[in-house]
Amino acid sequence: EVQLEESGGGLAQPGGSLRLSCAASGFSINNYEMSWVRQAPGKGLEWVSYISGSGGTIYYADSVRGRFTISKDSAKNSLFLQMTSLRVDDTAVYYCARCRASFFDSWGQGSLVTVSS
Amino acid sequence: SYVLTQPPSVSVAPGKTASISCGGDDIGSLTVHWYQQKPGQAPVLVMYYDSDRPSGIPERFSGSNSGNTATLTISRVEAGDEADYFCQVWDSRSGQHVVFGGGTKLTVL
Repeated sequence: EVQLEESGGGLAQPGGSLRLSCAASGFSINNYEMSWVRQAPGKGLEWVSYISGSGGTIYYADSVRGRFTISKDSAKNSLFLQMTSLRVDDTAVYYCARCRASFFDSWGQGSLVTVSS
Repeated sequence: SYVLTQPPSVSVAPGKTASISCGGDDIGSLTVHWYQQKPGQAPVLVMYYDSDRPSGIPERFSGSNSGNTATLTISRVEAGDEADYFCQVWDSRSGQHVVFGGGTKLTVL
């Protein structure tokens, strides 16, 4: 069974940093593209970042480029999102999602990130 | 940047048919995917490549895509179908890569 479990969310101050983790099970992240998608409270879905199976191709949304870094650890079968220079409008539930070509076929339950002073 | 436009809300009586639209410039040239999200839960894929259903999704769910509009159709609507529905495309042309529609709240009367 495919499972994705996010962790690392919490409260951060504006300008601060947080690192999200996503532990995958039931499949190898080496064989799949992965993404982070976020959802601000009461709002819609917003794609954040993508990493290819090999890790050689990475994309970011304009809203986070230069502040967020996606990475993965094959040994831990985990995906990460390092978030720096956090802003109030980064407040959201962050989901990791497994990509198949151009869509997301599995999602984690999400990790809440709150940026507030 | 590429924009996908969905109606904020759609209401339908039980047993009737609901149609949720997703508009975009020449969206018919892209492949559209749909997700269902119930309160407090993660999104679930309900349609991919315009009209393919993942295993476990009822046949009551169908999709189409042509011209400037993609549509998710739910036949014989049930109370359990009440949820937010989001369309999504992968658009490398714009540099955004992944674009979601704003979402449609489906209310079962």
